[in-house]
Amino acid sequence: DTGVSQDPRHKITKRGQNVTFRCDPISEHNRLYWYRQTLGQGPEFLTYFQNEAQLEKSRLLSDRFSAERPKGSFSTLEIQRTEQGDSAMYLCASSQWPPYRGYWGSPLHFGNGTRLTVT
Amino acid sequence: GIQVEQSPPDLILQEGANSTLRCNFSDSVNNLQWFHQNPWGQLINLFYIPSGTKQNGRLSATTVATERYSLLYISSSQTTDSGVYFCAVGFNQAGTALIFGKGTTLSVSS
Repeated sequence: DTGVSQDPRHKITKRGQNVTFRCDPISEHNRLYWYRQTLGQGPEFLTYFQNEAQLEKSRLLSDRFSAERPKGSFSTLEIQRTEQGDSAMYLCASSQWPPYRGYWGSPLHFGNGTRLTVT
Repeated sequence: GIQVEQSPPDLILQEGANSTLRCNFSDSVNNLQWFHQNPWGQLINLFYIPSGTKQNGRLSATTVATERYSLLYISSSQTTDSGVYFCAVGFNQAGTALIFGKGTTLSVSS
């Protein structure tokens, strides 16, 4: 079990540029989540996939954001025309679904995140 | 949507002290998890505890779902316990994303 892996760890970009982040979940996990965290706040949900299907998107996910998980393994999160307000830590997490019998959820495991700075 | 409130927002302890962190939520949940975010930003899952009590070493957690709160107990705190503790909740029979509180920042000094 190598854990959830995210790349890059840090990204500095100029306003208006496009950026793409990658997440590799724990291999046996079929659910993959993207969260965003700003300083002093808890992670905010953006979107999640079950296998290759994108099942839920937050209202926080503007049209400039797009996420994919084409083969149900790794996922990418792209931000187009970045704005300074996009500066944050982007976290990826994975879990197994369905959960163990008798439970309504499974433990969520996070990667180390990608810190985006938009100048 | 579900509201999650954590208290206290900040906690300063001497090494060896015990502490209790609280998480209140506004609606019924069937998924509640506690996380620790270390000073390097890594989020570690501590407990999946939608109800009942669990213990893991010096940490234990209790959730009283009918009264909409959960408690995280840290005993004999160590400097490595420092960081931010988050409670996250969710409710959906088909599973859904967790909603996080703002966290409790714990500082343990030697």
